Amino acid sequence: GAVVSQHPSWVICKSGTSVKIECRSLDFQATTMFWYRQFPKQSLMLMATSNEGSKATYEQGVEKDKFLINHASLTLSTLTVTSAHPEDSSFYICSAREPRRNTEAFFGQGTRLTVV
Amino acid sequence: RKEVEQDPGPFNVPEGATVAFNCTYSNSASQSFFWYRQDCRKEPKLLMSVYSSGNEDGRFTAQLNRASQYISLLIRDSKLSDSATYLCVVKGSNDYKLSFGAGTTVTVRA
Repeated sequence: GAVVSQHPSWVICKSGTSVKIECRSLDFQATTMFWYRQFPKQSLMLMATSNEGSKATYEQGVEKDKFLINHASLTLSTLTVTSAHPEDSSFYICSAREPRRNTEAFFGQGTRLTVV
Repeated sequence: RKEVEQDPGPFNVPEGATVAFNCTYSNSASQSFFWYRQDCRKEPKLLMSVYSSGNEDGRFTAQLNRASQYISLLIRDSKLSDSATYLCVVKGSNDYKLSFGAGTTVTVRA
């Protein structure tokens, strides 16, 4: 199946610093990628839809200036958590849509962010 | 009301048992339905799509009831390796966004 690679798999950072998470589609071109956040025992919540070559579309309640998304190429989208706070600690997961399989989502391995 | 709701469980069953659980969705215009499996601290992985007529994949059977807006998953002859959280996922008709349930935790014991 299609492969999506996410890096890093875990990161610990100090409050006030920024963290960049990368999501790559390894064997297909993804015009659209999705960024989710998952708190313990809760569902994945869509944060934003990343579109190659254009601005990301953010879900209601998600601060675009805090969660910067860049989708500069057909195989790479990045999420930068700026000025991180402990409440940003969560599991962040990206997914990409493989154009030939319109409905199935392929997920990256996820990034566990801990802000101390 | 949440778009997708699931019984969180946990369902604690012995090996070889059958376990079944449901998921309800609020958007009657939803077009596609899936069950994903998520192991602890890992990414979700597609278990199976759910078709209108119901479908089976080995020990797993999925059903869709559009009238009542629910989806079910049944696992027969449970294995220890079936222990995981099962996520109900629904896709709308107009975009590629997926709505996730919070998951149903299944623990299969020896």
